[in-house]
Amino acid sequence: DVKVTQSSRYLVKRTGEKVFLECVQDMDHENMFWYRQDPGLGLRLIYFSYDVKMKEKGDIPEGYSVSREKKERFSLILESASTNQTSMYLCASMTGLVYEQYFGPGTRLTVT
Amino acid sequence: GENVEQHPSTLSVQEGDSAVIKCTYSDSASNYFPWYKQELGKRPQLIIDIRSNVGEKKDQRIAVTLNKTAKHFSLHITETQPEDSAVYFCAAKGSNYKLTFGKGTLLTVNP
Repeated sequence: DVKVTQSSRYLVKRTGEKVFLECVQDMDHENMFWYRQDPGLGLRLIYFSYDVKMKEKGDIPEGYSVSREKKERFSLILESASTNQTSMYLCASMTGLVYEQYFGPGTRLTVT
Repeated sequence: GENVEQHPSTLSVQEGDSAVIKCTYSDSASNYFPWYKQELGKRPQLIIDIRSNVGEKKDQRIAVTLNKTAKHFSLHITETQPEDSAVYFCAAKGSNYKLTFGKGTLLTVNP
């Protein structure tokens, strides 16, 4: 059974803080993704990574960066958190052979 | 880039009725179309998918149809049950591994 975990379920941060969200998967998947989910907007891709140290921008990368130093771990970084980054953040992983994405439980981030 | 439109945004049906959710996509190179179900407070999970070389796929009470010429695909749920109540997302995959999701449909099945 694929397991994707995220470091926190709920997080409250102040405007201007640097925020790290971590995602870990245990199935040796090559591909990992970060989405944000907002009511009425669906799931929007922030960044994805298809290999260690490789990354590509998604549809809404502004204000975010990512790090993938190990295959199982993909981090999302908010360099200077702003209130418009208050959202649910979902991580996902996928092999290159089967296109099913396995999602983590999500981190609800509130920036005040 | 790819654009996926999903309709309706909300759908309310009586238990036992059928439900249909429709999506259109813009990129003719897209070749994989999954549907995800997200129950309240849970993570999205794949329920069915279809590839571009297939027109229809069924799995018990759910089915997906694909019309490549018209660039649209649909999810059909028959004999709906209260546990089918959830948000459903369609998505399309282009030439890389990126999925573009629709905005979601909140399905409510009334007992």
